[in-house]
Amino acid sequence: EAGVAQSPRYKIIEKRQSVAFWCNPISGHATLYWYQQILGQGPKLLIQFQNNGVVDDSQLPKDRFSAERLKGVDSTLKIQPAKLEDSAVYLCASPSGLVTPSGANVLTFGAGSRLTVL
Amino acid sequence: EDQVTQSPEALRLQEGESSSLNCSYTVSGLRGLFWYRQDPGKGPEFLFTLYSAGEEKEKERLKATLTKKESFLHITAPKPEDSATYLCAVQANGGATNKLIFGTGTLLAVQP
Repeated sequence: EAGVAQSPRYKIIEKRQSVAFWCNPISGHATLYWYQQILGQGPKLLIQFQNNGVVDDSQLPKDRFSAERLKGVDSTLKIQPAKLEDSAVYLCASPSGLVTPSGANVLTFGAGSRLTVL
Repeated sequence: EDQVTQSPEALRLQEGESSSLNCSYTVSGLRGLFWYRQDPGKGPEFLFTLYSAGEEKEKERLKATLTKKESFLHITAPKPEDSATYLCAVQANGGATNKLIFGTGTLLAVQP
């Protein structure tokens, strides 16, 4: 089973510019997550998709961040305009298919897209 | 509010020196607790999931345990290749989302 693909791996932009990240999750899984990981911190959920629909975007800064998942497969996360504090690694994840008896889903993460805002 | 706290923030060990990492959690209802390993420049890699107090899981030099309030990741006779950041996360019961809530991680350095 192929893993989670993300691009680009690295991006450097000036503040107030825009940037877009792409994710192709594990094939066949309806759920897709975008996490933000600031240096020295754990990943924080930005948005969760179920097929084309948004399940949770409560921590997405909607004034500058947007995400879409057309056709329920790959997804794009956009930042416009970027701020210095948006410098982080943006991780995409999808369920691996492993589920515990309690119903907990094991997530598989991509390698991430590292954004530096100058 | 669901919360995960990891300690210590950083740990330096000599090769062969065993130790434990702590993960304390507060969650409305635990569906699962997860340990991930993250190497520099890579995404988190799944190690273990636990969901019942008293449960233990082992993999090579690592053993994870779970109580109702915390989890430990025990590292026995570590090697330099065990150097990484270890992340703990919880998944809560209820609601439409099965998101993971992460702690800030423990940065482990094992010196030869």
